[in-house]
Amino acid sequence: AQTVTQSQPEMSVQEAETVTLSCTYDTSESDYYLFWYKQPPSRQMILVIRQEAYKQQNATENRFSVNFQKAAKSFSLKISDSQLGDAAMYFCAYRSPPGYGGSQGNLIFGKGTKLSVKP
Amino acid sequence: GAVVSQHPSWVICKSGTSVKIECRSLDFQATTMFWYRQFPKQSLMLMATSNEGSKATYEQGVEKDKFLINHASLTLSTLTVTSAHPEDSSFYICSASIGVGLHEQFFGPGTRLTVL
Repeated sequence: AQTVTQSQPEMSVQEAETVTLSCTYDTSESDYYLFWYKQPPSRQMILVIRQEAYKQQNATENRFSVNFQKAAKSFSLKISDSQLGDAAMYFCAYRSPPGYGGSQGNLIFGKGTKLSVKP
Repeated sequence: GAVVSQHPSWVICKSGTSVKIECRSLDFQATTMFWYRQFPKQSLMLMATSNEGSKATYEQGVEKDKFLINHASLTLSTLTVTSAHPEDSSFYICSASIGVGLHEQFFGPGTRLTVL
């Protein structure tokens, strides 16, 4: 079974600085999808960024970028120029390819990292 | 992006009663909907996966008779917590997907259930 591990329960960053959130995963599949979700205090899940495993190029979305290391099974999220609105829980998630092992596309989440942004 | 709604957003009920939570995809047809449960300061745990017109697939350890899921149409899935008990108090989140793979899952805002 696939697992997702986020080893940092809490992180803190100064406003305008850069922070990196770690995520590792375990899988025997060669093709899969990885996601970072943000959950602010409202508890609405918001997609931050996504990555296809077969793509070597790291995904980037404005101030958010990932460092995807497939061999190491690592998928870290870098937030540049941190803003107060970035404060939230961040979840790393894994999704199997369709039909593999009976998967219907559900997400497997890590335990999350609570990010605080200091003004 | 696509919008998923949940109703109610917060419900308080007495122990032993049943509660129904609705999940609707407002501007798209969802082939698959997922139900997650989130305890305070914890991650989301998948409870079940539902496809329109077929029986839901439950995760190991989730009681099918307690958490009834009905996916009546491509835009509506319901979760009924039967004979609710205080330990069922939690935050329930649904998500809807147009497809699989990289297709984004769109999450509802969640429902907070408190069982007295």
